Amino acid sequence: EVQLVESGGGLVQPGGSLRLSCAASGFTFSSYSMNWVRQAPGKGLEWVSYITSSSSTIYYAESVKGRFTISRDNAKNSLYLQMNSLRDEDTAVYYCARVPGSYAFCDYWGQGTLVTVSS
Amino acid sequence: DIQMTQSPSTLSASVGDRVTITCRASQSISSWLAWYQQKPGKAPKLLIYKASSLESGVPSRFSGSGSGTEFTLTISSLQPDDFATYYCQHYNSYPWTFGQGTKVEIK
Repeated sequence: EVQLVESGGGLVQPGGSLRLSCAASGFTFSSYSMNWVRQAPGKGLEWVSYITSSSSTIYYAESVKGRFTISRDNAKNSLYLQMNSLRDEDTAVYYCARVPGSYAFCDYWGQGTLVTVSS
Repeated sequence: DIQMTQSPSTLSASVGDRVTITCRASQSISSWLAWYQQKPGKAPKLLIYKASSLESGVPSRFSGSGSGTEFTLTISSLQPDDFATYYCQHYNSYPWTFGQGTKVEIK
């Protein structure tokens, strides 16, 4: 069974940093690209970042470029999102999601972790 | 960036109704479109990919159609478990974007 479990969310002040993790199991993690997608409270879905299986290609949404860094450790079956210079508008539930094949839609999602940026 | 616009934003329907949600892209995305269902407090669930391909395990009452810039998600006979919010997402080119969502409510 495919499982994705996010962790690392919490309350952080504006300008602060946080590192999210996503632990993957039930599939060959090293063979799949991955996405981070977020959802602000009461709002819709927003794609945040994408990384290929080998980390050779990485993309970011314009709203997080230069502040967030996606990475992965295939030996640990883990995906990460380092978030720096956090802003109020980064408050959201952050989901990690698996990307099947060479496409960029998401076939499996984690349960999400809440990041709250507030003073 | 390609903008995705869903209509309606909210839809009131009864069990057994046929429901159609529309998603329009600001430029052609061929068939690179996915549909998701999300219930309150839960992660989204993939329903449809490549505009009309049904994800494994998804009931056949869900179907998708369209290509280019106009797409539809149809629920042939609405069931109690289908009251949720639905999102479209294009994956034609970076950056990938979602529609704003369509909430299907009980009439």
